[in-house]
Amino acid sequence: AQSVTQLGSHVSVSEGALVLLRCNYSSSVPPYLFWYVQYPNQGLQLLLKYTSAATLVKGINGFEAEFKKSETSFHLTKPSAHMSDAAEYFCAVSGEGGSYIPTFGRGTSLIVHP
Amino acid sequence: GAGVSQSPSNKVTEKGKDVELRCDPISGHTALYWYRQSLGQGLEFLIYFQGNSAPDKSGLPSDRFSAERTGGSVSTLTIQRTQQEDSAVYLCASSSSPSPYNEQFFGPGTRLTVL
Repeated sequence: AQSVTQLGSHVSVSEGALVLLRCNYSSSVPPYLFWYVQYPNQGLQLLLKYTSAATLVKGINGFEAEFKKSETSFHLTKPSAHMSDAAEYFCAVSGEGGSYIPTFGRGTSLIVHP
Repeated sequence: GAGVSQSPSNKVTEKGKDVELRCDPISGHTALYWYRQSLGQGLEFLIYFQGNSAPDKSGLPSDRFSAERTGGSVSTLTIQRTQQEDSAVYLCASSSSPSPYNEQFFGPGTRLTVL
């Protein structure tokens, strides 16, 4: 069954520092991969998605992610963190068994220090 | 345009009572999902509706949970005889069509507290 592992329930960075949020997936078929962000008291919104086109995917707010099949990874990065990036980030995978239901990771809380 | 809306935003109930949570998806979206979000547990899939097809109920944790979708639009999630472990944020999402690569649009959630 498809699954997602997000390493680190909390990641803390200083403002202006590199952001790296890790996501590893398991899927028996070529996956579709997503990163969503959730700000406090809000629903999730899509940051970016991988659908088998370019392996480097650019999203909103300066985030990007690279699909690495050999490492079964889809890590999220941003060169310079901003205070407004503080939120919960979720990685998700879909596609196995033709399922329309994505499997979400447990989430990583990004903390940005001034 | 209008996004996914959910009501109520907060619900406090006593153990053993029934509750109903409502979701209004984006107009024209045929796929609708319910998830439960507990602290530190990520999103737990509950149920999926697609058009007039039979819903996928494989994620419902017990027979106290049920959901319906009327007219292919509004959905209601019902929890009967609530228990304290039902306390969580219940999220609804919709997407334009059933596809594994389509984005899901989420509502703000209903925070359920069972005393």
